[in-house]
Amino acid sequence: GQQLNQSPQSMFIQEGEDVSMNCTSSSIFNTWLWYKQDPGEGPVLLIALYKAGELTSNGRLTAQFGITRKDSFLNISASIPSDVGIYFCAGQLGSGGSNYKLTFGKGTLLTVNP
Amino acid sequence: DADVTQTPRNRITKTGKRIMLECSQTKGHDRMYWYRQDPGLGLRLIYYSFDVKDINKGEISDGYSVSRQAQAKFSLSLESAIPNQTALYFCATSEPRGNQQFFGPGTRLTVL
Repeated sequence: GQQLNQSPQSMFIQEGEDVSMNCTSSSIFNTWLWYKQDPGEGPVLLIALYKAGELTSNGRLTAQFGITRKDSFLNISASIPSDVGIYFCAGQLGSGGSNYKLTFGKGTLLTVNP
Repeated sequence: DADVTQTPRNRITKTGKRIMLECSQTKGHDRMYWYRQDPGLGLRLIYYSFDVKDINKGEISDGYSVSRQAQAKFSLSLESAIPNQTALYFCATSEPRGNQQFFGPGTRLTVL
């Protein structure tokens, strides 16, 4: 099955710094999603991308759907302490049946030092 | 009130015991999922259901079973719990297009 490689595994940054993380796949996806998980909670959707080359923002977050459809990037600008958490990418084929399942990356643990 | 609820939130049990984790949703979604989360391994799909009569195995279904009692309820059972099933378990729901999944708060299960 598909596998997603998410990097980095963890990041330790100072408040105010920008953050970048990415996911790559050996096969194409038709949808890329980015989720954030706060400690003790379930993942919450941040950004959804539906078209190759698409660049979408949500406040200080910006994500891009790679042209090859095999990768995606998430950037966080001017980080703040509440950005702490685990960020997951997820890909979906979305062409019907079991292809609506999501394949998740292993997550990037972000720590922001005040 | 939360749209996706899970009970219990925490459970400690012993090897060999039968355990049921429950999930309820008020979102009206047809599709429901069970995931397992382990440190460093991300979220792995155990079972998924596209409607009450449609249940499918995910990538790690061995040792687990599920029941879709109604559109709003999807239960996960461990027939005979073993220590390597200690993990955080999440239920999720989605609309028919399925590309945005909404997660419950999770159940932390410890098998001694």
